[in-house]
Amino acid sequence: EAGVTQSPTHLIKTRGQQATLRCSPISGHTSVYWYQQALGLGLQFLLWYDEGEERNRGNFPPRFSGRQFPNYSSELNVNALELEDSALYLCASSLGILAKNIQYFGAGTRLSVL
Amino acid sequence: GESVGLHLPTLSVQEGDNSIINCAYSNSASDYFIWYKQESGKGPQFIIDIRSNMDKRQGQRVTVLLNKTVKHLSLQIAATQPGDSAVYFCAEYDAGGTSYGKLTFGQGTILTVHP
Repeated sequence: EAGVTQSPTHLIKTRGQQATLRCSPISGHTSVYWYQQALGLGLQFLLWYDEGEERNRGNFPPRFSGRQFPNYSSELNVNALELEDSALYLCASSLGILAKNIQYFGAGTRLSVL
Repeated sequence: GESVGLHLPTLSVQEGDNSIINCAYSNSASDYFIWYKQESGKGPQFIIDIRSNMDKRQGQRVTVLLNKTVKHLSLQIAATQPGDSAVYFCAEYDAGGTSYGKLTFGQGTILTVHP
C-alpha cells in the first residue's frame, strides 16, 4: 500500500513568487495535514483539511492557503514568497475525524526561496 | 500556551544498549502523546502513541512511559541498533478547542547508535 506521496521533492523559487505543493494521502484517509519544518525548528502545524473543508489552521499568515480535492488529495499554496518560507513542507494524512492523533507523513517538499 | 520540549538534544549509545529519550510537556489537557522517528531525507515515521489515561504502552522493542504528575514522557528503545539512528520527536494531541487536529511537536532528540 502506498504511503503519503508529495510532489515535487524540491522546489526553488524567488522572493515574491508563488509556490504550489501537492500531496496524495494514504488510500482511505480523508484528513490531510500540512506542517512546516524550518531548519533547526520542530514541525509547525499549518493546515488541516477533512472531507474537502479546512478544519483548522496554525499561526501562519493568510498567504499560506490550500485546498482538498474530492479524491482527498491536497494542495498547499504559498503566495508572495519570503526568504523565511524556505523549509521542508510535510504533508500527513489520517483516517479522519476519529484518528487525528495518528498522522502518517510523506517525505516532504523542500522549498528554497532565493 | 502549549509546548512540548525535550531534556536532551543529542544521545549517543552503543549498539545493543537500551536508549531512553525524554520529553517534557506543559499541556495537561493533551489527550494523546505520540513518538515519531525522522531519518535523514525522510518524513517523520509514527512509532507509538499513548493515551493520556495510560501510564505505559509497549510496542516492538519500544516502550513509552507517561508520568502525568511531572508532565514527562519517555521512549525506551531496547537493544538499540544502528538503524535506530535518527531524530526522535515527541508530539502531543489535544482534541479540544483551537488545537483540534493539530499535533504539537517538540524540538527533537538526535539519537546516534555506534556499532
